Amino acid sequence: NAGVTQTPKFQVLKTGQSMTLQCAQDMNHNSMYWYRQDPGMGLRLIYYSASEGTTDKGEVPNGYNVSRLNKREFSLRLESAAPSQTSVYFCASSERPYSLTDTQYFGPGTRLTVL
Amino acid sequence: AQSVAQPEDQVNVAEGNPLTVKCTYSVSGNPYLFWYVQYPNRGLQFLLKYITGDNLVKGSYGFEAEFNKSQTSFHLKKPSALVSDSALYFCAVRAGPGDMRFGAGTRLTVKP
Repeated sequence: NAGVTQTPKFQVLKTGQSMTLQCAQDMNHNSMYWYRQDPGMGLRLIYYSASEGTTDKGEVPNGYNVSRLNKREFSLRLESAAPSQTSVYFCASSERPYSLTDTQYFGPGTRLTVL
Repeated sequence: AQSVAQPEDQVNVAEGNPLTVKCTYSVSGNPYLFWYVQYPNRGLQFLLKYITGDNLVKGSYGFEAEFNKSQTSFHLKKPSALVSDSALYFCAVRAGPGDMRFGAGTRLTVKP
């Protein structure tokens, strides 16, 4: 039981390049999330998927797109990377759709640098 | 808007002493509060949460948190700190079905 896994662990991009961050969970959770972590700002929600087939914007969605590929996988795409997207990206999952009380479980993160 | 604040960027304690990491919250409606810990180059690990009921919540690794409605606080505590407790601690409040608002984090350093 690996929990939440993310690939890649590290990535360096040039401004304007595109890339997709991958996330998978093996806990049979319904909801999945993408966050970014910046120094001194905690984590901020980019997008979430309450259940397979649905996605919704979070606090900071601009410049990103997501795909809920199936119940296990939730990807985050940067179409044209900008230096402001340099950050650490975390994927998380939780069991029930739309639950306010379920714990979110986090992956190990992807450290992205945009030059 | 729902939010949490962690008033201390850094907390230093000696090993064996009690520790407290502070968190205050602002919510409309029932507060659902969480504490997470992050070790260097790792993801966030869940410590404990308050949903309802007993104001003293016990969690992982000997941590506990006290919910105080009148002071809108949810402070994390441990009776005896270990050097291995040194990490970054985040308080969070559930603001909606897909929305968790995190504090900026408090770096805890436990010195031998």
